[in-house]
Amino acid sequence: GQSLEQPSEVTAVEGAIVQINCTYQTSGFYGLSWYQQHDGGAPTFLSYNALDGLEETGRFSSFLSRSDSYGYLLLQELQMKDSASYFCAVREGGKLIFGQGTELSVKP
Amino acid sequence: SQTIHQWPATLVQPVGSPLSLECTVEGTSNPNLYWYRQAAGRGLQLLFYSVGIGQISSEVPQNLSASRPQDRQFILSSKKLLLSDSGFYLCAWSVTGSGNEQFFGPGTRLTVL
Repeated sequence: GQSLEQPSEVTAVEGAIVQINCTYQTSGFYGLSWYQQHDGGAPTFLSYNALDGLEETGRFSSFLSRSDSYGYLLLQELQMKDSASYFCAVREGGKLIFGQGTELSVKP
Repeated sequence: SQTIHQWPATLVQPVGSPLSLECTVEGTSNPNLYWYRQAAGRGLQLLFYSVGIGQISSEVPQNLSASRPQDRQFILSSKKLLLSDSGFYLCAWSVTGSGNEQFFGPGTRLTVL
């Protein structure tokens, strides 16, 4: 089976940079994905890493190290609207296994 | 463009009553379809997924069932709801053969009393 670990909560101030880590155990690896979910809303896809390295999309970047079974989501120039839960996920066959989520609180 | 619809948005049901939640996808063909449940403040628990009409994989033993009567329609059902069935139910789709990028519907918040 697969399991993922990520911190339950992270707090940062507006304008800062925050990193949300994710470690995983998997019997087969097809990539690490990240999703954002605002309170009461549906998750939305942020990024996907299949290979080692950094993928950048605007203020958000995602990193993967397959040898370490580790990845992170980096959020720069934090804004109040970034307050949300962030989930990492790994694929097992045709389905995704999600971590328990990290609740990010951005303070003024 | 592709869109995914779920209804109803909220639902309050008594224990022992039946349930039917519907999800439809537009703008794509032969998608993979998924049902998730999310308890308050928790992660997403995959309940069922489907790679085609009539093909349903169940992830956890539970009081629920799923059906896919048409290519872009996915239905979650129960004959008798339990208190523990309360939660936020999310339908999602992905491109056939992939699954890393899933697109979620707006969800149904179910309260069983």
